[in-house]
Amino acid sequence: TQLLEQSPQFLSIQEGENLTVYCNSSSVFSSLQWYRQEPGEGPVLLVTVVTGGEVKKLKRLTFQFGDARKDSSLHITAAQPGDTGLYLCAGAKDNFNKFYFGSGTKLNVKP
Amino acid sequence: DTGVSQDPRHKITKRGQNVTFRCDPISEHNRLYWYRQTLGQGPEFLTYFQNEAQLEKSRLLSDRFSAERPKGSFSTLEIQRTEQGDSAMYLCASSLTGSGYGYTFGSGTRLTVV
Repeated sequence: TQLLEQSPQFLSIQEGENLTVYCNSSSVFSSLQWYRQEPGEGPVLLVTVVTGGEVKKLKRLTFQFGDARKDSSLHITAAQPGDTGLYLCAGAKDNFNKFYFGSGTKLNVKP
Repeated sequence: DTGVSQDPRHKITKRGQNVTFRCDPISEHNRLYWYRQTLGQGPEFLTYFQNEAQLEKSRLLSDRFSAERPKGSFSTLEIQRTEQGDSAMYLCASSLTGSGYGYTFGSGTRLTVV
């Protein structure tokens, strides 16, 4: 059983559309991170959130950490083909010692 | 420093053979992690080192798996008597203790056991 559940598992959209992916758990995390992974490569860190209710923006990407620090969301505005990839959330239950990963959302943005 | 390096990128081996992978972390990072990722799944924690000390091992890491980090620099992950179920991407990551900046991952070693 995954500690972090991500939804949807797959998402295929047209360029220019908006989308939100979710990362949920019944556990409380001290911090949560989002990564993007391309085929055959390792995940690349996008953002770290540590405070309940925190919102961070990275260009067209908006990340939110739930008030109770059990869930998070990633919103992409005006998606582009370059956003295509596997989006992974990862949570740490203690002081960044170890991160638990969700199974990811595979995003495909069609031109 | 060009990031975390893993070698080899790909390894095909016959069942029952031993394999060893190498990871060179970012030089100033004192923590080094090994994760395993199978198709359609997120990375699963295997073990981590702080400097040369192995601080935690997952129950996924059977006695056929061993990891070392001599002198707190590069690390090796050895799998003895490989099985088909060991086929996966083995990812190495490094970080600073308590940095909160997340991991820097290498590109991984893709192992195929035939």
